[in-house]
Amino acid sequence: GAVVSQHPSRVICKSGTSVKIECRSLDFQATTMFWYRQFPKKSLMLMATSNEGSKATYEQGVEKDKFLINHASLTLSTLTVTSAHPEDSSFYICSARPPQGLAETQYFGPGTRLLVL
Amino acid sequence: DAKTTQPPSMDCAEGRAANLPCNHSTISGNEYVYWYRQIHSQGPQYIIHGLKNNETNEMASLIITEDRKSSTLILPHATLRDTAVYYCIVRASSGTYKYIFGTGTRLKVLA
Repeated sequence: GAVVSQHPSRVICKSGTSVKIECRSLDFQATTMFWYRQFPKKSLMLMATSNEGSKATYEQGVEKDKFLINHASLTLSTLTVTSAHPEDSSFYICSARPPQGLAETQYFGPGTRLLVL
Repeated sequence: DAKTTQPPSMDCAEGRAANLPCNHSTISGNEYVYWYRQIHSQGPQYIIHGLKNNETNEMASLIITEDRKSSTLILPHATLRDTAVYYCIVRASSGTYKYIFGTGTRLKVLA
């Protein structure tokens, strides 16, 4: 199946700093990528939909100024957590969708574990 | 997107079939049913999807009722490595194609 990578796999940062997480589709072009957040023992929560070359669409309750998303190419989307606080500590997961067909699946990255001290 | 309802947890003996139900009573005619699973601390893994007909692949079978209001994922011979949280998702065939995850079923395969 298609491969999606994330970098870094885990990161620890100090409160108030910014952290950038990269999501790459390795063997296909992804016009759309999605960013999710998952707290321990909870389900994945969709944060935003990222379209190549345009502004991301954020879900209700997600602060766009805090979670900056850039989708500069067909294989790369980045999520920057700005002015991170301990409550931003979570598991961040991206997914990518190939453009062809109606029933194509999303392929998920392995996730990035963020710990804010 | 339609909401899905799944039992929170299930146990299954190793080597037996695991049958995971999902209710999606408000599904629309153009919405697909997708199944993913998430093993601890990993990203979700695609299993199978369908629209109306039953589907089978090397991992599992998907049985969709005729009225499409519910479906069952079948793992024919569960192994310990199938222990995971299984998510049933209903996704539109147009628009943003986004997934809305429900709470999933935590399947525990017992030796």
